[in-house]
Amino acid sequence: QVTLRESGPALMKPTQTLTVTCDVSGFSLTTSGFCVSWIRQPPGKALEWLARIDWDNEEYYSASLKTRLKISRDTSRNQVVLTMTNLDHVDTGTFYCAAGRACIASAGLDYWGQGALVTVSS
Amino acid sequence: HELAQPPSVSVSPGQTVTVTCSGDSLRESYACWYQQKPGQSPVMVIYQDTKRPSGIPDRFSGSASGNTATLTITGAQPIDDADYYCQAWDIRSHVFGPGTKVTVL
Repeated sequence: QVTLRESGPALMKPTQTLTVTCDVSGFSLTTSGFCVSWIRQPPGKALEWLARIDWDNEEYYSASLKTRLKISRDTSRNQVVLTMTNLDHVDTGTFYCAAGRACIASAGLDYWGQGALVTVSS
Repeated sequence: HELAQPPSVSVSPGQTVTVTCSGDSLRESYACWYQQKPGQSPVMVIYQDTKRPSGIPDRFSGSASGNTATLTITGAQPIDDADYYCQAWDIRSHVFGPGTKVTVL
């Protein structure tokens, strides 16, 4: 059974750097074809794709946020980490990690975590 | 948003509803569709334009042509009342649409 669980600080201040972690169980991050993405959702608004890391450690980023994001993984812990720099109040939202079993085949995101709400406020 | 979806659609129980998603990126990308109910994480209902993940009822179907992908719910049920997001799965980018609120009443 594949499960993903996000964790991170609930409250951040403007200009700070956010680090959110996704604990993955049920499959290895190095399994061929697998990928993990981060998606965020401001309260009451749409989903926004942020970044993706593949089984071969390739990284992909949203064009509009690329300069502020870094996705990485710890294969020993089977975790994926997202950092977002220079936070602003508009970055407030729920951060989801989601995984796909066959990303190279464009087969979408099969598994989602429950999300972690991050509020940016001074 | 690079993808366009109608903000809302409504359907009577048992009837058919379609949700469209349009954008240039869909010409060269597969579309995925996700259902999200209030307070819950999204669930994928269609991938690669037309395929249903295991466990998704067959009343959900997808199609695509040119720059438009379409999600169809045939015989909509009250439990299908939710937000639906399309996603263009490009090699390097996976943009979501703005979402469509489907109301079953």
